[in-house]
Amino acid sequence: EDQVTQSPEALRLQEGESSSLNCSYTVSGLRGLFWYRQDPGKGPEFLFTLYSAGEEKEKERLKATLTKKESFLHITAPKPEDSATYLCACVMDSNYQLIWGAGTKLIIKP
Amino acid sequence: KAGVTQTPRYLIKTRGQQVTLSCSPISGHRSVSWYQQTPGQGLQFLFEYFSETQRNKGNFPGRFSGRQFSNSRSEMNVSTLELGDSALYLCASSRGEGRHHSPLHFGNGTRLTVT
Repeated sequence: EDQVTQSPEALRLQEGESSSLNCSYTVSGLRGLFWYRQDPGKGPEFLFTLYSAGEEKEKERLKATLTKKESFLHITAPKPEDSATYLCACVMDSNYQLIWGAGTKLIIKP
Repeated sequence: KAGVTQTPRYLIKTRGQQVTLSCSPISGHRSVSWYQQTPGQGLQFLFEYFSETQRNKGNFPGRFSGRQFSNSRSEMNVSTLELGDSALYLCASSRGEGRHHSPLHFGNGTRLTVT
């Protein structure tokens, strides 16, 4: 069964404390993996698309990487404004549908 | 460039009623997708429209329906509302050319409460 699993469910960090969020997938043929950020009361905001193993994308304090089984969202020296829920989603080869993970709620304490 | 606009922002309805939600996509985007988001189930795909045609459908009962107009604006309708339909309904638009997934641009949703 095609599945996307994100871990941990929630992560609390001190400001400046770097860490990583995980998105593991078991889909039959990956066409692409997306990372989104969602703030409370708002819709998800697109961050990155990754297409093949070994690919990396960066934006400010965030860096996304992709292997054949999982993706990591690394956050370096986070600030309180990085607090949000981070969602990943995979596009399957078979029917081009997006499969969403449940998200990781990231809280950065000043 | 204006983002995705969803109206209304909040809605309170009674069980058994029906509701229509509206979505105006980013100019030039031809694909509109609808999602239901609840704390327990996360983001659940409802349907996707491209050039007025339903291109994909999620696993929801027939009470959930949608349509897309020639200007790419979309509406979704839920009939015979149930308490479990209470959720944040999100609309997302994308360029949607071909069958390849371009990034989705989401609106801020309609918060539906069914009492």
